[in-house]
Amino acid sequence: DAGITQSPRHKVTETGTPVTLRCHQTENHRYMYWYRQDPGHGLRLIHYSYGVKDTDKGEVSDGYSVSRSKTEDFLLTLESATSSQTSVYFCAITGDRGVNYGYTFGSGTRLTVV
Amino acid sequence: AQKITQTQPGMFVQEKEAVTLDCTYDTSDPSYGLFWYKQPSSGEMIFLIYQGSYDQQNATEGRYSLNFQKARKSANLVISASQLGDSAMYFCAMREVQTGANNLFFGTGTRLTVIP
Repeated sequence: DAGITQSPRHKVTETGTPVTLRCHQTENHRYMYWYRQDPGHGLRLIHYSYGVKDTDKGEVSDGYSVSRSKTEDFLLTLESATSSQTSVYFCAITGDRGVNYGYTFGSGTRLTVV
Repeated sequence: AQKITQTQPGMFVQEKEAVTLDCTYDTSDPSYGLFWYKQPSSGEMIFLIYQGSYDQQNATEGRYSLNFQKARKSANLVISASQLGDSAMYFCAMREVQTGANNLFFGTGTRLTVIP
């Protein structure tokens, strides 16, 4: 029982096409995050959500949008994919605010834009 | 400004020896948490150890310990008795409780290679 799952795990898409990545959690956690991981940059925050319909931008949000219509699902959409969005995307969740609350990461989605 | 800095892109250590991975951070939030994650070649993010800004003692988890020097804003990870399975990417990360909207900020990582 993973508690957090990402789909798809791998995707190849063409430049200019829309792409949606899904993050699903069974932990009923309030906070959900989308990161991208690129060599030399570590993980960078794209968007995050602090509740249903409550989302905000991270440090690398250009070209991405998100939606959270229910607690368990957080969707990341690339409206028109570009080669610079080729990356590994991670979803993460955590509970209420507090220093000691840990984060759980999904297994990642490897996206290739050709 | 970078919130988390890891200055060692790559490190090598002999099996059974100890190794220290460096991490410095920058924050004005008095309440924050510091995390270390391991990412093996399989790609998953594995939580290793946590240190809160108000914790009086350095955190330890098995072979992992965190050398927390608050005045210097450093949170180095020490791995004792290295094993071949420790070869991986290691990320330092920070959460700012009051100012950071509960977001987790990462460094660029250190690739550790354990030599037999």
